[in-house]
Amino acid sequence: DAGVTQSPTHLIKTRGQQVTLRCSPKSGHDTVSWYQQALGQGPQFIFQYYEEEERQRGNFPDRFSGHQFPNYSSELNVNALWLGDSALYLCASSLYRPGGSYEQYFGPGTRLTVT
Amino acid sequence: SQQGEEDPQALSIQEGENATMNCSYKTSINNLQWYRQNSGRGLVHLILIRSNEREKHSGRLRVTLDTSKKSSSLLITASRAADTASYFCASWHSGYSTLTFGKGTMLLVSP
Repeated sequence: DAGVTQSPTHLIKTRGQQVTLRCSPKSGHDTVSWYQQALGQGPQFIFQYYEEEERQRGNFPDRFSGHQFPNYSSELNVNALWLGDSALYLCASSLYRPGGSYEQYFGPGTRLTVT
Repeated sequence: SQQGEEDPQALSIQEGENATMNCSYKTSINNLQWYRQNSGRGLVHLILIRSNEREKHSGRLRVTLDTSKKSSSLLITASRAADTASYFCASWHSGYSTLTFGKGTMLLVSP
């Protein structure tokens, strides 16, 4: 049973470019959340997808957008990259429950470096 | 913005000693969770304690929760070099179905 997978592992982009990160949830999970973790900081919630719709969003600009596919996999897109977007991007999957899905399973992350 | 703060920011101990990390949060929670992260990799879930619980054990881990003080502590007993990692507390808030993390404690366990 595969856990949460993310691709690519590492990515280097230039300021102003656009990037797409991918996540496949753990088998049986239907909800995907994305987090940004800057160096030396804890993860910060970006947004959450369930039933192919964005259900919750953290304090991130519209340059950050996402998508969830019918197979529950998800993409995170970041436009007009800033140097400050350099971070580890973590995907977490869970099974939706009314009131919230407490247990989230995290992928290994994608390390994005913006130069 | 991040909800809580962990204390200390860094902790260095010898194998066999106990390690205690503290976490504070700001608003009411449904539950509080602790995670471990090795060398900037993915997060591993360690333990969850609900708001109506005061203490919970899992192997060498002991977690306490004091909702009146909005604080939690994680105790790792008989530490091992393999426990070297960053530890994060994360709170789950009623009505906002996602996790809010603190800044973490870096634990170094020397052989």
